[in-house]
Amino acid sequence: DVKVTQSSRYLVKRTGEKVFLECVQDMDHENMFWYRQDPGLGLRLIYFSYDVKMKEKGDIPEGYSVSREKKERFSLILESASTNQTSMYLCASRSPREGRNTQYFGPGTRLTVL
Amino acid sequence: GNSVTQMEGPVTLSEEAFLTINCTYTATGYPSLFWYVQYPGEGLQLLLKATKADDKGSNKGFEATYRKETTSFHLEKGSVQVSDSAVYFCALLYGGATNKLIFGTGTLLAVQP
Repeated sequence: DVKVTQSSRYLVKRTGEKVFLECVQDMDHENMFWYRQDPGLGLRLIYFSYDVKMKEKGDIPEGYSVSREKKERFSLILESASTNQTSMYLCASRSPREGRNTQYFGPGTRLTVL
Repeated sequence: GNSVTQMEGPVTLSEEAFLTINCTYTATGYPSLFWYVQYPGEGLQLLLKATKADDKGSNKGFEATYRKETTSFHLEKGSVQVSDSAVYFCALLYGGATNKLIFGTGTLLAVQP
């Protein structure tokens, strides 16, 4: 089974702090994604990465950056956290080689910014 | 642009009741359609999918049929259980090289014993 893990289930940070959210997948997937989930808004794509060192902006990249130095790891960075970034963050991965277009999700990190 | 609209929740049902959660989409071309489920405290799991018109996806007693003429992909189950209580997301995948998922807002299902 594909396993996508996220470094923390719950995180509390203060406004202005730099925050790192880590995501690791163990299935050699090329593509990785970061979403945020908010009530009434569903999931919105922040950034995605086709492969190592590659990144593309999603629909709501403002206030975020990402890093993909190794294939299995995709990091989401909040350079200066703000209260409107309080949310559930979900990481996902997929492989175009599978041909089934299925994204596999991690358990999520619930971030609270005070 | 591409979008997904699903019925607002919460949907509250008694055990063994029939479930329908409506989902309609707007897309250019022929997207693939998905239902994901999120159980309390967990991430999303793929429930079922359909990749072309008239395909029926099914899993764990849930079914959804890709209806191009009505641009719909409604989720149904004949007899729900308490363990089906979760948030259900309809999504479409639009294509080419980007392969990005667009999600609906999610529908909370609460099944009471």
